Amino acid sequence: AQSVTQLDSQVPVFEEAPVELRCNYSSSVSVYLFWYVQYPNQGLQLLLKYLSGSTLVKGINGFEAEFNKSQTSFHLRKPSVHISDTAEYFCAVSAVNAGKSTFGDGTTLTVKP
Amino acid sequence: DAGVTQSPTHLIKTRGQHVTLRCSPISGHKSVSWYQQVLGQGPQFIFQYYEKEERGRGNFPDRFSARQFPNYSSELNVNALLLGDSALYLCASSLETGANTGELFFGEGSRLTVL
Repeated sequence: AQSVTQLDSQVPVFEEAPVELRCNYSSSVSVYLFWYVQYPNQGLQLLLKYLSGSTLVKGINGFEAEFNKSQTSFHLRKPSVHISDTAEYFCAVSAVNAGKSTFGDGTTLTVKP
Repeated sequence: DAGVTQSPTHLIKTRGQHVTLRCSPISGHKSVSWYQQVLGQGPQFIFQYYEKEERGRGNFPDRFSARQFPNYSSELNVNALLLGDSALYLCASSLETGANTGELFFGEGSRLTVL
């Protein structure tokens, strides 16, 4: 079984500042890792994914994440946020070749002017 | 191309009633999964279906059931509704190939309120 812990439930930040949303996971098998974003009253949209290879992955809207196997972490970063980045962000893991994903409880990113 | 579509978008039911939620996956996607998202929490896995067969089931009571049709669309049924079933129900489709990456494509959800 897998589990995901998002270490911050809420992250307030000013516009154009950098941000890091933290995610730790637990699994006894190899996993794929994902970050999804959810805007109000909408479904989830994939930001980026780690499958294998380079531990630094780049996604949409200027986001990137780094996979750290020894620390079982997959933190999401953006060097300069915009008001439009205000949303709920979910970290998720999926065992390789498994059908389901396990999600964290989310981090609310609020970007202030 | 159309994304994942779900219906209805909103519905209100009373305790003890039954509800059916519907989902059409992205064209070419053969796998459909259902997730429950309670306010303030992340999505919780309910079911996965592929080629009309159940591939996985989460920790939900037997009141929850689902099926997938030959055109890969799916229904989620919940019987004997409880107040705690109030949630956003998300449908996700995915490619099911030998190189399954686990990436999910979500619909906008059906928001169920049980009174």
